[in-house]
Amino acid sequence: AQRVTQPEKLLSVFKGAPVELKCNYSYSGSPELFWYVQYSRQRLQLLLRHISRESIKGFTADLNKGETSFHLKKPFAQEEDSAMYYCALRGGATNKLIFGTGTLLAVQP
Amino acid sequence: GAGVSQSPSNKVTEKGKDVELRCDPISGHTALYWYRQRLGQGLEFLIYFQGNSAPDKSGLPSDRFSAERTGESVSTLTIQRTQQEDSAVYLCASSLTSGRSYEQYFGPGTRLTVT
Repeated sequence: AQRVTQPEKLLSVFKGAPVELKCNYSYSGSPELFWYVQYSRQRLQLLLRHISRESIKGFTADLNKGETSFHLKKPFAQEEDSAMYYCALRGGATNKLIFGTGTLLAVQP
Repeated sequence: GAGVSQSPSNKVTEKGKDVELRCDPISGHTALYWYRQRLGQGLEFLIYFQGNSAPDKSGLPSDRFSAERTGESVSTLTIQRTQQEDSAVYLCASSLTSGRSYEQYFGPGTRLTVT
């Protein structure tokens, strides 16, 4: 079965500290992995996708097929990074996304 | 356009009543998706429309749920005989034609409360 697991409901760090939001997935084929973000009072939006191998707002995520993980990292957290982060998987021919339960990142000043 | 829009933004209904939620996708987006987010849970896929193809209804939780889409425009999600467990935020998203890595753009959601 396709599944995305985000073990942390809340991650609280201080400004300038490194951040790692964990995401593990279960999928038998070659999935596409995404990170979506929802800032306060804003709609859900795409942050980054693994195939683009890009860094957005200082965030990166590497797909580790051996560990079936797609952790989101940023070396120095900023207060404006505070938001809800969702890891998502797209597998097979369909375009539907399977989401994790989300992690609330709170960056303290 | 201004992005995906949904209406109403909030809906309170009594148990047993029918509700209809509306989604206006971004113009030109052939794919449209409905998701549900119950409190404390992740987004749950409900249904997916792609052009004139038969919709993927694999995520609909029961036969009380149905959705329609007229061509490549508006979609409505209907929940009949609502139950308290239907209380959730219902999100709609649209994207360009189905394919690898076409970004899904989400609407603001409709918060449904069944009393």
